[in-house]
Amino acid sequence: QSALTQPASVSGSPGQSITISCTGSSSDFGGYNYVSWHQQHPGKAPQLVIYDVSNRPSGVSNRFSGSKSGNTASLTISGLQAEDEADYYCFSYTSSDTWVFGGGTKLTVL
Amino acid sequence: DVPLVESGGGLVQSGGSLRLSCAASGFTFSTYWMTWVRQAPGKGLEWVANIKQDGSETYYVDSVKGRFTISRDNSANSLYLQMNSLRAEDTAVYYCARGSKYCPFGWGQGTLVTVSS
Repeated sequence: QSALTQPASVSGSPGQSITISCTGSSSDFGGYNYVSWHQQHPGKAPQLVIYDVSNRPSGVSNRFSGSKSGNTASLTISGLQAEDEADYYCFSYTSSDTWVFGGGTKLTVL
Repeated sequence: DVPLVESGGGLVQSGGSLRLSCAASGFTFSTYWMTWVRQAPGKGLEWVANIKQDGSETYYVDSVKGRFTISRDNSANSLYLQMNSLRAEDTAVYYCARGSKYCPFGWGQGTLVTVSS
């Protein structure tokens, strides 16, 4: 049950777009479309921003979008805002009925 | 109104036991999968366990199998995590979350478990 691989950090200026990748193996999520993304501000509980690869829950800004190609899922945040500065985690169902998070990516808005 | 409130965390010695609870309100608890996720100090999120709506299916991360038990009481709108044989590496904030089988989408605020060695 190894963690999915994410970059430790990404950064961008207000108004720019950034993409966070999440890489696994074919046994992780290569065959499934159950990738979700969770935002966590310091000292706070996580919050879902994307589910089932590319779906946004109600109330989440349309600046957040998700995609997947093969064994890599991606979260894109467009029109960066200061409030987007947070840690982001991908999460996926894997084979053998287990679930796994990515290691997390710290987003800094410059 | 906070939909999920965890309790039961605290300081325990290595080898000891704790039972975490998660009280649900404001939604139909019995219709959701429930999940426990933990976060060690300064570290990332780690999935711990899942339980189906009726409790008939449970799943665990390898590191807690045989030591932790997830359960629920739908009549009491409550989720539990019985933690035995605790180790220093179990020290973390434990979050409960409701969701589908494949995705947690509503999180509690967490309860801190500290295991002293």
